[in-house]
Amino acid sequence: SYELTQPPSVSVSPGQTASITCSGDKLGDKYACWYQQKPGQSPVLVIYQDSKRPSGIPERFSGSNSGNTATLTISGTQAMDEADYYCQAWDSSSFVFGTGTKVTVL
Amino acid sequence: QVQLVESGGGLVKPGGSLRLSCAASGFTFSDYYMSWIRQAPGKGLEWVSYISSSGSTIYYADSVKGRFTISRDNAKNSLYLQMNSLRAEDTAVYYCARVGRISPDLRFLDYWGQGTLVTVSS
Repeated sequence: SYELTQPPSVSVSPGQTASITCSGDKLGDKYACWYQQKPGQSPVLVIYQDSKRPSGIPERFSGSNSGNTATLTISGTQAMDEADYYCQAWDSSSFVFGTGTKVTVL
Repeated sequence: QVQLVESGGGLVKPGGSLRLSCAASGFTFSDYYMSWIRQAPGKGLEWVSYISSSGSTIYYADSVKGRFTISRDNAKNSLYLQMNSLRAEDTAVYYCARVGRISPDLRFLDYWGQGTLVTVSS
């Protein structure tokens, strides 16, 4: 079955840029999306179709996908961005989630 | 605004059954595919099942195939998950979510409910 791998944790200083990677075999041939989940809350879609932002998602969230890696970038990271982030792809009629990355804003 | 409200979670013994419901509002339910996703305590997200807008197409994760059944009632704007032969490893928060699909090879989950906790324990 298809697998997506993310780093367990990423630390970033306020105002700096955080990059979260998601690796999978030929992931660039599929579409990637990203979810943000804060403690005790439901996931929220922040990026879909590799790089598109849903309505209401701040411009500091951006995405890219090429080769075997999709990347979520948070520019000018704020304290409110501290959360778990999950990538997701659609493969063989299944939703496949990444292992998740905890972003800490120090 | 889009709202998804799950219900039906609770404590059940191993081998038991439970039926989850998801009440949808704020959009034309019959136009959308829907999905169930779960999250074990302190763990990541795991996709469970997916159903097309008419109910004619259904997929399951291998971990629940043969034990769980997804269904929907478009007249009642409701999604269901019948869970049988429950195991300790099925303990999780279960979310229902609306499926976004712009093309045949693109699926994402654009709205999620608040989740309902299922605990399988003797």
